[in-house]
Amino acid sequence: RKEVEQDPGPFNVPEGATVAFNCTYSNSASQSFFWYRQDCRKEPKLLMSVYSSGNEDGRFTAQLNRASQYISLLIRDSKLSDSATYLCVVNIGNFNKFYFGSGTKLNVKP
Amino acid sequence: DTAVSQTPKYLVTQMGNDKSIKCEQNLGHDTMYWYKQDSKKFLKIMFSYNNKELIINETVPNRFSPKSPDKAHLNLHINSLELGDSAVYFCASSQDPSSSDTQYFGPGTRLTVL
Repeated sequence: RKEVEQDPGPFNVPEGATVAFNCTYSNSASQSFFWYRQDCRKEPKLLMSVYSSGNEDGRFTAQLNRASQYISLLIRDSKLSDSATYLCVVNIGNFNKFYFGSGTKLNVKP
Repeated sequence: DTAVSQTPKYLVTQMGNDKSIKCEQNLGHDTMYWYKQDSKKFLKIMFSYNNKELIINETVPNRFSPKSPDKAHLNLHINSLELGDSAVYFCASSQDPSSSDTQYFGPGTRLTVL
């Protein structure tokens, strides 16, 4: 079983739409959670960390549900530039060992 | 200036050859990583070094040997390349091996084994 699972999509949405991605993780000892963004043929870049209380950064809101072991990302008012693959990332315990999901692809259409 | 750089960007080689990929970071970070991203886009950690010391060594064939001459460099040498080694290899760095630290990725090296 994979440490981190995501719906691969693609999610095809019109500009201005609200879209949500979920991600589940298998290890209850997971300590830190992140969303990274990866554009086609580019490297992953940190979008935002995910905190227990939930956090917001502009149009992006991340939530963590430890009891159910899932993480969500909500994007409001989608822009064409939001088109990318969104990677859910979990860190388990010591030594900065990060586990990446396989990503959810988002296509925002005009 | 590029924060994390890798060379080469593309590498095409025959099965059985030995090749190296180099990585350098100018962020002053203590920890560096190698990841492999396969054709299904699954990004998996291979190795991690902290201050030139190996701290993570996932289940990777021993044909892969990382080398860290100093904390700003982490190179990856691959012996006897196989078809299944074809992937994009990303180098990354972070300030220290704390669990909440952001990782910064290099642009990747696209390896194709023929």
